[in-house]
Amino acid sequence: GNSVTQMEGPVTLSEEAFLTINCTYTATGYPSLFWYVQYPGEGLQLLLKATKADDKGSNKGFEATYRKETTSFHLGKGSVQVSDSAVYFCALSDQGSGTYKYIFGTGTRLKVLA
Amino acid sequence: GAGVSQSPSNKVTEKGKDVELRCDPISGHTALYWYRQSLGQGLEFLIYFQGNSAPDKSGLPSDRFSAERTGGSVSTLTIQRTQQEDSAVYLCASSRLTSGATYEQYFGPGTRLTVT
Repeated sequence: GNSVTQMEGPVTLSEEAFLTINCTYTATGYPSLFWYVQYPGEGLQLLLKATKADDKGSNKGFEATYRKETTSFHLGKGSVQVSDSAVYFCALSDQGSGTYKYIFGTGTRLKVLA
Repeated sequence: GAGVSQSPSNKVTEKGKDVELRCDPISGHTALYWYRQSLGQGLEFLIYFQGNSAPDKSGLPSDRFSAERTGGSVSTLTIQRTQQEDSAVYLCASSRLTSGATYEQYFGPGTRLTVT
């Protein structure tokens, strides 16, 4: 079945450091891919998305490119801020089921130190 | 506009009692999803509603769980005879449309359920 694998956390970085959070997926067909962020005490918010191969999603300085050849959707940011501290979830939309339900990775906690 | 709302935000119940969790999706969103977020299992799909179609209940963990969606809008997730392993945050999400396109899901703040 479809699945999403994310790198284990927590990830601790100093402010202005470069961030990469790895995400790979297994899916039949061509799923859409998403990154959601969950700030402390808040709900899940869409960070960015990509709906087809080679698409690049971007938002708030974060970027991720849909790589079909490596089945990956790694999240990156050139310079993190303390306010980026949160849990990041990679997800795919399960097209094959007809429901487009999300299959999530386990989440990666990011802590950015001033 | 208003986002997805859920109530209650927190619920503490005794083992064996029934609970009802409510979700108000974004107006005009025809697709509605319930997920569960727990420490041991991460984020997992529970059930999906789309318009007047039969719901996809494939993610419900047991027959103690049920859900309905009235009038294509508000949804209620019911857990009967709660167990401690039901303790989790229950998330509701809605989406504009699924057929032929992928629209992102918008999540509510969740209901934190604690079974004592």
